[in-house]
Amino acid sequence: KQEVTQIPAALSVPEGENLVLNCSFTDSAIYNLQWFRQDPGKGLTSLLLIQSSQREQTSGRLNASLDKSSGRSTLYIAASQPGDSATYLCAVTGGGADGLTFGKGTHLIIQP
Amino acid sequence: DAGITQSPRHKVTETGTPVTLRCHQTENHRYMYWYRQDPGHGLRLIHYSYGVKDTDKGEVSDGYSVSRSKTEDFLLTLESATSSQTSVYFCAISESGGFWAQNTEAFFGQGTRLTVV
Repeated sequence: KQEVTQIPAALSVPEGENLVLNCSFTDSAIYNLQWFRQDPGKGLTSLLLIQSSQREQTSGRLNASLDKSSGRSTLYIAASQPGDSATYLCAVTGGGADGLTFGKGTHLIIQP
Repeated sequence: DAGITQSPRHKVTETGTPVTLRCHQTENHRYMYWYRQDPGHGLRLIHYSYGVKDTDKGEVSDGYSVSRSKTEDFLLTLESATSSQTSVYFCAISESGGFWAQNTEAFFGQGTRLTVV
């Protein structure tokens, strides 16, 4: 059974810092990995999609990497801002599971 | 934003009553999913559909049924609601699934907060 773990569960940093969120998955036979952002009481917003054959994807201040063989992905946020405060979710497709398998998220707070 | 509308957005119902949640999409995507989100468990797949009248169970399907009579609509029914089904329910869509989903993003609706009392 595919399992996704996100570390840390919570993170609080001052504005302007660069930070890294971690995601690991147990079955490396994935089709893709997707990072989402969720604001309190809201739905999920897709941030980045990395196909299984890719190593990284970038969007603005966000950079996501994928090491499929070791079952790990990182989301790098550069020059963090208070507006980046949210819960960040990692999800994979494949690895023997239907649909997306999610981690429990990292709750991020950026202090002004 | 992807065109996904969930209704109702909030609902309070009594134990033992049937409840139907609706997901409507305007993207003509083939795959549609129902997830529930609970503290400590994250998001878990309930049921999904890979076409009109084609559905399958997810990880936590007990107590739920689904129907898809049109591409744009995916209904989730709680036949007899229980307190353990109090949750936030999310609908998601994607153009393709499985191996063919490599380059396919999944998009989520805004969620339905269901309380069973």
